[in-house]
Amino acid sequence: NAGVMQNPRHLVRRRGQEARLRCSPMKGHSHVYWYRQLPEEGLKFMVYLQKENIIDESGMPKERFSAEFPKEGPSILRIQQVVRGDSAAYFCASSPGAGSNQPQHFGDGTRLSIL
Amino acid sequence: QKEVEQNSGPLSVPEGAIASLNCTYSDRVSQSFFWYRQYSGKSPELIMSIYSNGDKEDGRFTAQLNKASQYVSLLIRDSQPSDSATYLCAVARDPGGFKTIFGAGTRLFVKA
Repeated sequence: NAGVMQNPRHLVRRRGQEARLRCSPMKGHSHVYWYRQLPEEGLKFMVYLQKENIIDESGMPKERFSAEFPKEGPSILRIQQVVRGDSAAYFCASSPGAGSNQPQHFGDGTRLSIL
Repeated sequence: QKEVEQNSGPLSVPEGAIASLNCTYSDRVSQSFFWYRQYSGKSPELIMSIYSNGDKEDGRFTAQLNKASQYVSLLIRDSQPSDSATYLCAVARDPGGFKTIFGAGTRLFVKA
């Protein structure tokens, strides 16, 4: 499967724990985007990364959330000290280039549930 | 004002009819426009992209763009029950802005 791979598909955490969500982009894609989707709502942009660089993190909450895309390995979205309001579907997308005419292709998402 | 606005629906059409989905956007410098389909519990799937004014057809789908009116639409001809999903309008701009802004989506139901 050469698509965007996200894992885990489902993640359950208790309040105060850490959540790590992983995303491997499509082959040949070097641009990764993270979105959050609450039930019955649209996708909310969180962060845009290229290898080893955060390009735009204007959608990331100021605290507890961080993202990285190392030279080797998947992109990681990390949520520290999770709270109930963090429960959502988190989608990763990738694109081959940086232009706005480069459509993003999505992974299947990680459904995060906070107990 | 939301950056990308869509009627949340639900939009209900009979099988075989034309479904018309509409989207308006606020940023005049937007240059790229996309329609994604999202089935319940699944990831968004790109179905159309359009970059210049006018119509673009792909099978049963036609995207229409009017930059002067800041309006983009998606027509689905010969609607099928399998088209029942949420359709997300997405808008992106260059230069300097790599963010793609998504609307909240329109739910479409195609009745058999």
